[in-house]
Amino acid sequence: RKEVEQDPGPFNVPEGATVAFNCTYSNSASQSFFWYRQDCRKEPKLLMSVYSSGNEDGRFTAQLNRASQYISLLIRDSKLSDSATYLCVVNPANTGNQFYFGTGTSLTVIP
Amino acid sequence: DVKVTQSSRYLVKRTGEKVFLECVQDMDHENMFWYRQDPGLGLRLIYFSYDVKMKEKGDIPEGYSVSREKKERFSLILESASTNQTSMYLCASRREVEQYFGPGTRLTVT
Repeated sequence: RKEVEQDPGPFNVPEGATVAFNCTYSNSASQSFFWYRQDCRKEPKLLMSVYSSGNEDGRFTAQLNRASQYISLLIRDSKLSDSATYLCVVNPANTGNQFYFGTGTSLTVIP
Repeated sequence: DVKVTQSSRYLVKRTGEKVFLECVQDMDHENMFWYRQDPGLGLRLIYFSYDVKMKEKGDIPEGYSVSREKKERFSLILESASTNQTSMYLCASRREVEQYFGPGTRLTVT
């Protein structure tokens, strides 16, 4: 079983739409969670960390559900510039530098 | 701004060649990583290093080795390149929880 699983999409949404991605993880001891963004032919960059209580950064909201072992990313009022692949990343508590990446969810925002 | 650089953006090598991929970071980070990224498989950790001369295997170390002689530089070595090592290779360094990635090296082994 993969450590981290994501729906690859693609998600094609109109500008202004709200879109949500989910990601499930297999290790219940996992401690740290992140969303990274990767533009086409570019390197991944940290979008936001995911905290237990949920957190928001402008139009982006991340949530963690430990009981069901998933994290989510909600994007409100989608912009064309949000088009990218979103990677879910998990750091299990007992593996220090081992970060597990999902395969990514592709988002295209359409004018 | 943190900067992670990789020696080549594109590289074409022949089967059996020894290949060196270099990565340099300018922020004095202790932790550095080598990943490969393949369609449908995502990023997979090859090796990481938590200090000079210290290294640990990741999930897919077979066919690779690494070298960290200086804090800022982490090298990935393919001892004898094979076609199944054709991939995008990404180096990263870490400060606290955030990983900073280099631009990647697309390696093709023919």
